[in-house]
Amino acid sequence: EIVLTQSPATLSLSPGERATLSCRASQSISRHLAWYQQKPGQAPRVLIFDASNRAAGVPVAIPARFSGSGSGTDFTLTISSLEPEDFAVYYCQQRSSWPWTFGQGTKVEIK
Amino acid sequence: QVHLQESGPGLVKPSETLSLTCSVSGDSISDFYWSWIRQAPGKGPEWIAYFYNSGNTNYHPSLKSRVTISADTSKNQFSLKLSSVTAADTAVYYCARGTAAVAGILVFWGQGALVTVSS
Repeated sequence: EIVLTQSPATLSLSPGERATLSCRASQSISRHLAWYQQKPGQAPRVLIFDASNRAAGVPVAIPARFSGSGSGTDFTLTISSLEPEDFAVYYCQQRSSWPWTFGQGTKVEIK
Repeated sequence: QVHLQESGPGLVKPSETLSLTCSVSGDSISDFYWSWIRQAPGKGPEWIAYFYNSGNTNYHPSLKSRVTISADTSKNQFSLKLSSVTAADTAVYYCARGTAAVAGILVFWGQGALVTVSS
């Protein structure tokens, strides 16, 4: 089973700041990585798939401030300028090898 | 717009079977990939199983001996059964829809159903 390790566990930032979240896979997953956002009491929401593609055809359009990069074992989710609604928990998820797995999450909190 | 809704008992006794149903509107379960995901309190999500083409299924290896998913195309519903539950199976259970062509991406989710395993 591929293990995804996210860092940091918590990111304390102010609105308007740039957020950089990391996800490392225990083995190469090519670019088969997605990022999800989860707010309290809600289901996760896909933001990015295949490392860098903003999700389309979703209930709410993904803003351009969300971007993803990386390949192999190291991936990054960047939020260019945090909006109040971006404070949430973010999970990475791989679909390279079954069982597909999620990371343990990074909480982006208001500083 | 597709809508998914989980239903089933919120409390299950240890050693018994957890049963949930996902009712789908807006899309046919004969199309797309459909999944069950669970999330224990304070943890990341865990993919339990998925199916496509109404009959092709894949189960998480650690749960395979206890899990069954089935689809009822006449009702546009699919179900999850997890046997011999323990407290470790306490979680919010989600059903979700993927894409039509690419497995392993969850695009639409139900609101989730909290299932507590306790006597």
